This record gives sequence, C-alpha cells and structure tokens, in this order.
Amino acid sequence: GQSLEQPSEVTAVEGAIVQINCTYQTSGFYGLSWYQQHDGGAPTFLSYNALDGLEETGRFSSFLSRSDSYGYLLLQELQMKDSASYFCAVRRDSNYQLIWGAGTKLIIKP
Amino acid sequence: EAGVTQFPSHSVIEKGQTVTLRCDPISGHDNLYWYRRVMGKEIKFLLHFVKESKQDESGMPNNRFLAERTGGTYSTLKVQPAELEDSGVYFCASSQGLANNEQFFGPGTRLTVL
Repeated sequence: GQSLEQPSEVTAVEGAIVQINCTYQTSGFYGLSWYQQHDGGAPTFLSYNALDGLEETGRFSSFLSRSDSYGYLLLQELQMKDSASYFCAVRRDSNYQLIWGAGTKLIIKP
Repeated sequence: EAGVTQFPSHSVIEKGQTVTLRCDPISGHDNLYWYRRVMGKEIKFLLHFVKESKQDESGMPNNRFLAERTGGTYSTLKVQPAELEDSGVYFCASSQGLANNEQFFGPGTRLTVL
C-alpha cells in the first residue's frame, strides 16, 4: 500500500524553529510536496523536492533524502500566522496525482 | 487572476439523495483534480482530468460517484445516491502541469450526509 507518516501535532514558540518530518512508503516516487492549510481554508503549495537536498524559500525550507524515503519541512522565525496544518504529499509517477499524509497541526505559542 | 472556485461551499443532504459539486479551475489550467478529506484523515485523491479526458480515476470510491469535465473547463462531481460515509470536504485543484507539480486548490465543499 501507499503510506505517508507525519506527526499529528507539533507545538513551538513564536520566533523559534520547528521541523516537521515525513516518511513515505509508495510504489513509485517522483517528488515530495508540502502544503499549508489554515483552518477551513484551501491547501496552498509551499515546496516541491524531486532531488536530494535542501530547498530554501524565505523562512521555509524543505529537505529530501530519497534513499531514506524521508523529508522534512523546516520553519524558521515562527510567526503566529504560521499556525496551520502542514501536509506532505508524494507524486508517485509521471501523472500529477498526489498521495497525502494525514497532516501535522502546528500550534505556536507566544 | 481568479483562483479555483467551488460551489456550493456547504451542502447538507439526506442519505439516498443526489448532490452535484462544481469546480471552476484557474483559466488555462489543463489539469484538474478532485480530492476528498474525511475529518481528521488524509486528503485522498479521487481523479484527475487533463482537459476533458479522465487521466486517472483510480481514487473514485465506487460507481455512485460520477465526474465530468465537458469542454475541458469546469468540472462537476455527482454523488448518487449519497451514503453517510460520503461526508467530508471535497477539494478541487488545478495545475499547469509544471515540473514542480504545484496544484492550486479551491476552498472545498463541505458535504454532510445525514
């Protein structure tokens, strides 16, 4: 079967750094995406890693290790507006279908 | 540029009734996807259109679900007859099919089957 594992909830302090991990087990792998979803809202795209290594976009970075079937999302200088759910999703093949994790709820405390 | 829109935002129906959800993708996006999220669980892929053709419908749960995209513009997802387990949030997304696989999501339709 296809599965992605990520923590259900992570708590951090405003201004700190937090890492959200994702491990996957899928029948194929093209790349790993991260999406953010605020309560009741539409998921919005954050990043996509097809190759091993770290991709940085502002305060957010995403890492992939294909050999370990593992990736993470790193959020720096946390702000209260970063409180949301974060989903990792795998693109398995040349189609654009995404297989999703259950999401990690990030709680930020002042 | 207008984003992906979905209608209705909420729908409450009784078991056995029919509901049709609509999605208008971003203009020019050939790829259109339907997803469903049952409360607290992962977002599950339902199907993928490229223009008016069904590229992949492997996620459709059963033949009570029918998706169409006539003319390759907006799409509809019909559930007939609805069952209790169909409750959830139905998301539509569209994309240009770029290498980074960025998909743009609509706000979702929250379906409650009583």
